[in-house]
Amino acid sequence: DSGVTQTPKHLITATGQRVTLRCSPRSGDLSVYWYQQSLDQGLQFLIQYYNGEERAKGNILERFSAQQFPDLHSELNLSSLELGDSALYFCASSVSGQTLNEQFFGPGTRLTVL
Amino acid sequence: GIQVEQSPPDLILQEGANSTLRCNFSDSVNNLQWFHQNPWGQLINLFYIPSGTKQNGRLSATTVATERYSLLYISSSQTTDSGVYFCAVNSGNTPLVFGKGTRLSVIA
Repeated sequence: DSGVTQTPKHLITATGQRVTLRCSPRSGDLSVYWYQQSLDQGLQFLIQYYNGEERAKGNILERFSAQQFPDLHSELNLSSLELGDSALYFCASSVSGQTLNEQFFGPGTRLTVL
Repeated sequence: GIQVEQSPPDLILQEGANSTLRCNFSDSVNNLQWFHQNPWGQLINLFYIPSGTKQNGRLSATTVATERYSLLYISSSQTTDSGVYFCAVNSGNTPLVFGKGTRLSVIA
């Protein structure tokens, strides 16, 4: 158990819908990262938040947004869902905002868009 | 950006055999991590090893940063070792970049 929690574990929804994925980092970690794992693209970095502020952005679509709240949990919002958004979404956390720190991954949320 | 190549892409072992997985990267790194993704999809941290050698039970890892590669050794493999092994690196302030992984199947 990494100490990072994600809910829900599974999510099945329809095209055009909007969903919210939730992540709680390890106790004491200030950075949260979101990754997407799809069959064709592999594991890709989406976005990083550090202590409530956006720190780095990767291959995140405009239909996707995220935020980190004062209690440091984070939410990833996916809207206007398409079939191609079906993937495993991971959240990771690290102690600081520096990318050299070890990242610990949550169990993931498996999103299926029908 | 930094490139990460893992080899072999697939590996089938008999239970009890040893194996070596390799990760080559194209630039100097300040973070290198090895992960095991089990058949249920969970990503499990194995090693944080930007340089040097570490051991944890039957697993060990070595990173030679000057030559831009890292090796993961699995000894006396067990069926529970099956899954995909990922190497991930970052350079400077870039985010973690993952390799495509090595899919390991251990047969009883």
